[in-house]
Amino acid sequence: QVQLVQSGAEVKKPGSSVKVSCKASGGTFISDAISWVRQAPGQGLEWMGVIIPIFGTADYSQRFQDRVRITADESTSTAYLELSSLRSEDTAVYYCAIPYGGSNSVYYDDWGQGTLVTVSS
Amino acid sequence: QSVLTQSLSASGTPGQRVIISCSGSSSNIGSNSVFWYRQLPGTAPKLLIYNNNQRPSGVPDRFSGSKSGTSGSLAISGLRSEDEADYYCAAWDDTLTGPVFGGGTKLTVL
Repeated sequence: QVQLVQSGAEVKKPGSSVKVSCKASGGTFISDAISWVRQAPGQGLEWMGVIIPIFGTADYSQRFQDRVRITADESTSTAYLELSSLRSEDTAVYYCAIPYGGSNSVYYDDWGQGTLVTVSS
Repeated sequence: QSVLTQSLSASGTPGQRVIISCSGSSSNIGSNSVFWYRQLPGTAPKLLIYNNNQRPSGVPDRFSGSKSGTSGSLAISGLRSEDEADYYCAAWDDTLTGPVFGGGTKLTVL
């Protein structure tokens, strides 16, 4: 079982950026894909993108393509989600999760605890 | 607006059988497997069903899944109070090239 530990809650101003981290332990970080999924208050789940650290490149949801950047640091087994040009609608809990079976899998068995990002002036 | 469509709510009494439905399209459920997740308040989702009808180890056989055409269903039999939670369906979408989720169904045990 992989443990995913995320960074703490953030409060951001509209127009700014946020960077959330997700540190993995107990797995093979380099070859495991890591996805980011968000959940606005009272809403459903929404996939944002995925990275496989060994390849270094990320795939993004078309909805966030121009505002999101997912990176990974192999030396610390940590993945990052950076979202820019924040607006109030980006207020949500952001989860990292491992899609077992590859980056195009929907089999998420390990999740981080979630990071609440609040966008408010 | 979620890509997959679920009823907002469902309910049942202890011991009953409840079915939660999920409607998609040819680009997601119609051509890929359906997954189901359960989420308790303040916690991350937990995988309940994968590949339409398979249960991960540790998930009781009271939970079962099925798929027909562009729709999937989750059945919960022998309903218990601890089954109160939000349930989400998910599938890969070939057009969007990513996972898509339903808006969630809130299950209440009366």
